[in-house]
Amino acid sequence: SQQGEEDPQALSIQEGENATMNCSYKTSINNLQWYRQNSGRGLVHLILIRSNEREKHSGRLRVTLDTSKKSSSLLITASRAADTASYFCATDASGNQFYFGTGTSLTVIP
Amino acid sequence: GAVVSQHPSRVICKSGTSVKIECRSLDFQATTMFWYRQFPKKSLMLMATSNEGSKATYEQGVEKDKFLINHASLTLSTLTVTSAHPEDSSFYICSARDHRGPRPETQYFGPGTRLLVL
Repeated sequence: SQQGEEDPQALSIQEGENATMNCSYKTSINNLQWYRQNSGRGLVHLILIRSNEREKHSGRLRVTLDTSKKSSSLLITASRAADTASYFCATDASGNQFYFGTGTSLTVIP
Repeated sequence: GAVVSQHPSRVICKSGTSVKIECRSLDFQATTMFWYRQFPKKSLMLMATSNEGSKATYEQGVEKDKFLINHASLTLSTLTVTSAHPEDSSFYICSARDHRGPRPETQYFGPGTRLLVL
């Protein structure tokens, strides 16, 4: 399977704290993307980081990419209850294939 | 922004029947569409990739005769689950990308179709 691994599988934090989730993948990639999914809903695109980039910011989101370790991390700062969702990384490899990680379920307690 | 719709959003069918799910890109041309399935509390598993006008490329372990994919136009792809059985019950999600558009790397996801086979 080409699917990546994410950890932790589940994360529970207090509102205002930072949440960090990690993603590891197996093959060379063109870019890596992070998505969120509320329970039973579709996916919302959060951020894209290309293979030649090491860090990217978007609002309260910070993504890093280490291609030598084939890993990425997503940091959500100053978390809010509305951030409660599942978060997935997805790798875009050459050959027009797009594979999702196993996901992290984030719960932010008000 | 780019919008992808899926129809139906929810379907219940009897075992042995076939179900067709439509995926449409509403305001852009989808040069490639992807179909995923997702089990409860699990990640999305890529089933197949389809380019407009050509046959779909299926992932290992996905039966092409079971899951028929047609991408006849730049705005429409269909997934037909043939002779559905209870184990086919799942959340099916499509996505689309436009390689010739301003954001060729981005995939736009549909809202998903929940299939329940009785």
